[in-house]
Amino acid sequence: GESVGLHLPTLSVQEGDNSIINCAYSNSASDYFIWYKQESGKGPQFIIDIRSNMDKRQGQRVTVLLNKTVKHLSLQIAATQPGDSAVYFCAENWAGGTNAGKSTFGDGTTLTVKP
Amino acid sequence: GAVVSQHPSRVICKSGTSVKIECRSLDFQATTMFWYRQFPKKSLMLMATSNEGSKATYEQGVEKDKFLINHASLTLSTLTVTSAHPEDSSFYICSATTGASNQPQHFGDGTRLSIL
Repeated sequence: GESVGLHLPTLSVQEGDNSIINCAYSNSASDYFIWYKQESGKGPQFIIDIRSNMDKRQGQRVTVLLNKTVKHLSLQIAATQPGDSAVYFCAENWAGGTNAGKSTFGDGTTLTVKP
Repeated sequence: GAVVSQHPSRVICKSGTSVKIECRSLDFQATTMFWYRQFPKKSLMLMATSNEGSKATYEQGVEKDKFLINHASLTLSTLTVTSAHPEDSSFYICSATTGASNQPQHFGDGTRLSIL
């Protein structure tokens, strides 16, 4: 079946370095993608999103890249800080109909920032 | 904006009791709410989709008689774990959305349920 997956389950970076978290998706019909951050013991928080008619979107210290040709999504975090340590999930949204707004989540990448 | 409040954050109770978890969207109308279960170091497992005013749609393998979901208003959905047993112990998370396919979900902070 369709799925959203992440390439690496863990990522460790030095404080101040840039982080790149990758995600592969398989549903070519998906047109909206989201990155969430989940801190320990909390619910996921929205970080950034991107629609399929774009290939790049920037936020504050974060950038999402979408490559529809190879069905790849990535999250780049600039100047990673200890507060960025968390689990990051990518998600793709179902296109519509009765499942509108429903998401398929990746397995998550645990980012650890070393001081 | 887009704040979702989930209550309680933690509950410990004896086997056989029923537990109700509330999920409220505080500053927007949530046409659709989702209920997830999350195991340690795992991704979110969707249990059911709840649309305001209609019956919830449960994912395969989720017992609808055990996990009762009510979405009576555009700002409140509840999940009741009936006759809870130790194997129901888990982290339950709700999310709310306007229902549009190009909008993110807004999550509550989860409920840690421990059944003794």
